[in-house]
Amino acid sequence: EVQLVESGGGLVQPGGSLRLSCEASDFTFSTYEMNWVRQAPGKGLEWVSYISSSGSTMYSADSVKGRFTISRDNAKNSLYLQMNSLRAEDTAIYYCAREKETAHDSGSWWYFDLWGRGTLVTVSS
Amino acid sequence: DIQMTQSPSSLSASVGDRVTITCRASQSISRYLNWYQQKPGKAPNLLMYAASTLESGVPSRFSGSGSGTDFTLTISSLQPEDFATYYCQQSYSTPWTFGQGTKVEIK
Repeated sequence: EVQLVESGGGLVQPGGSLRLSCEASDFTFSTYEMNWVRQAPGKGLEWVSYISSSGSTMYSADSVKGRFTISRDNAKNSLYLQMNSLRAEDTAIYYCAREKETAHDSGSWWYFDLWGRGTLVTVSS
Repeated sequence: DIQMTQSPSSLSASVGDRVTITCRASQSISRYLNWYQQKPGKAPNLLMYAASTLESGVPSRFSGSGSGTDFTLTISSLQPEDFATYYCQQSYSTPWTFGQGTKVEIK
């Protein structure tokens, strides 16, 4: 079954670290760009970080820049998010999302066509 | 950053109603606009990309329109399984940004 499964969430104290993982199944992981998107309790969706298919290009939201690092291991079909210096406002469900690219006349459309179920990160003392 | 604003934030409707949700971008994004549906306790699910292209498997009662800064998502005849929260998202430039969501509730 084509799917993404996140793991690694949990309770961590402010200032602590956590590493999230996302394992991909039944598709050619190495050909897709990937993202992390989070959702604070009762709130909307917030894009966190992007990584290109090869892993050579990464972008992050200003809210996590310098604290979170996205990476991937294509041999293991896995995506990661290293989260350091965690704050209470980082409390959220973290989803990994596959980014699909569809070509059109003058470029490409990009959209998140496959999401994992998410893993909950709680930052609290 | 491009700000995405949805309206309304919530609405109440009955089964069979026609429902329209609006999404406005803070600058022109051409048609780089995607729509997602999220049910409670579940991950978001892609409904539409490029403002009006239905994702495979999405019922035809969903439609989208717009270009530039103003977009709409329409459900032509609301079904019980459509009660959910809907998000727009721009993919014109990073950082990718979402609207705040529109919750569709049962009247």
